[in-house]
Amino acid sequence: KQEVTQIPAALSVPEGENLVLNCSFTDSAIYNLQWFRQDPGKGLTSLLLIQSSQREQTSGRLNASLDKSSGRSTLYIAASQPGDSATYLCAVTLTGTYKYIFGTGTRLKVLA
Amino acid sequence: GAGVSQTPSNKVTEKGKYVELRCDPISGHTALYWYRQSLGQGPEFLIYFQGTGAADDSGLPNDRFFAVRPEGSVSTLKIQRTERGDSAVYLCASSLTPGQNYGYTFGSGTRLTVV
Repeated sequence: KQEVTQIPAALSVPEGENLVLNCSFTDSAIYNLQWFRQDPGKGLTSLLLIQSSQREQTSGRLNASLDKSSGRSTLYIAASQPGDSATYLCAVTLTGTYKYIFGTGTRLKVLA
Repeated sequence: GAGVSQTPSNKVTEKGKYVELRCDPISGHTALYWYRQSLGQGPEFLIYFQGTGAADDSGLPNDRFFAVRPEGSVSTLKIQRTERGDSAVYLCASSLTPGQNYGYTFGSGTRLTVV
């Protein structure tokens, strides 16, 4: 059974700091991995989608990497801003399925 | 529409009552998904539609939960005899094709509270 774990569960950093959020999964037979952002009381906003054949994706200050063989992904946020404060969720789909399995998220707070 | 729309945004109901939650996906998206998110947890899969048919309903917790998508667009999640444990945020997502290449777009969710 696929399990997705995110570390740390919560993180508080000063503005301007570069930071890394970690995601690990137990079954390497994934089709893709997606990072989402969730603001309090809101739905999920897609940040980056990495196909299993890819190693990384970048969007602005965000960079996500994928190491399928070791079951790990990282989300790197450069020059963090207070507006980055949110919960970050990673999710994987297994090959042959269409449903995402989510981690429990990392709650990020960036202090001004 | 421009995004995935879910109504109502909040629903409070009494234990034992019946509720319906609506999802209006992005126009042209053939795949539609329902998830449930409890406090402090990640979303959990409930059901997936491809067109009008439920292609995977393995996540529905019991037979009190049912979902339909009669015309391949709007979907309704129906919960009978609600219980306090059903309280959660119910999220809907859609994708252009079944999730593999494009990922999802989520709605803002319906927060269901059973009192």
